[in-house]
Amino acid sequence: QKEVEQDPGPLSVPEGAIVSLNCTYSNSAFQYFMWYRQYSRKGPELLMYTYSSGNKEDGRFTAQVDKSSKYISLFIRDSQPSDSATYLCATSNQAGTALIFGKGTTLSVSS
Amino acid sequence: DAGVIQSPRHEVTEMGQEVTLRCKPISGHDYLFWYRQTMMRGLELLIYFNNNVPIDDSGMPEDRFSAKMPNASFSTLKIQPSEPRDSAVYFCASTLGGGVGYTFGSGTRLTVV
Repeated sequence: QKEVEQDPGPLSVPEGAIVSLNCTYSNSAFQYFMWYRQYSRKGPELLMYTYSSGNKEDGRFTAQVDKSSKYISLFIRDSQPSDSATYLCATSNQAGTALIFGKGTTLSVSS
Repeated sequence: DAGVIQSPRHEVTEMGQEVTLRCKPISGHDYLFWYRQTMMRGLELLIYFNNNVPIDDSGMPEDRFSAKMPNASFSTLKIQPSEPRDSAVYFCASTLGGGVGYTFGSGTRLTVV
């Protein structure tokens, strides 16, 4: 079993839809949870970051971590065509160690 | 700051040739990471450095791969000899203090024919 599992999609939604992206992880020692966004032919860029369990909201984006089920989610409200990208979840057990990434989910938002 | 700078952007080489990928991290960042991205395997860590010292190279596929960081502003990833299965996008990333907000470069797309 890979340490971080993510459904690659692709996921296609109409503009304005609510999008749910999900990952599962296997190591209960993981404490840091991130979502990166990667546009085509670009490097990933940090979108959101949470520590331990709970929710974090930033504009149209909400990150959620459920450590009891080892489940990570990213919700996008009022999705826009500019949200079309690959979204990668990532995790680590402590600062100073390398991030482990999921394979990424490709999202397409049509206008 | 110009961000993390990688060169070349694209590299096409023949099997058996030596390939050198280059990375300039963000000034002041003390952690540098090399990742490889493929459709099949996603983003995989190859090696990372802290203060120019290699910390974990367990992701380096085999002896054909080597990485150096001679100073705080430059790192190289070398593949010798290259093989078609090395074809991938290679990313360099840096961060300060081991923080999880990595800054990635734009990547080097390597094709080995």
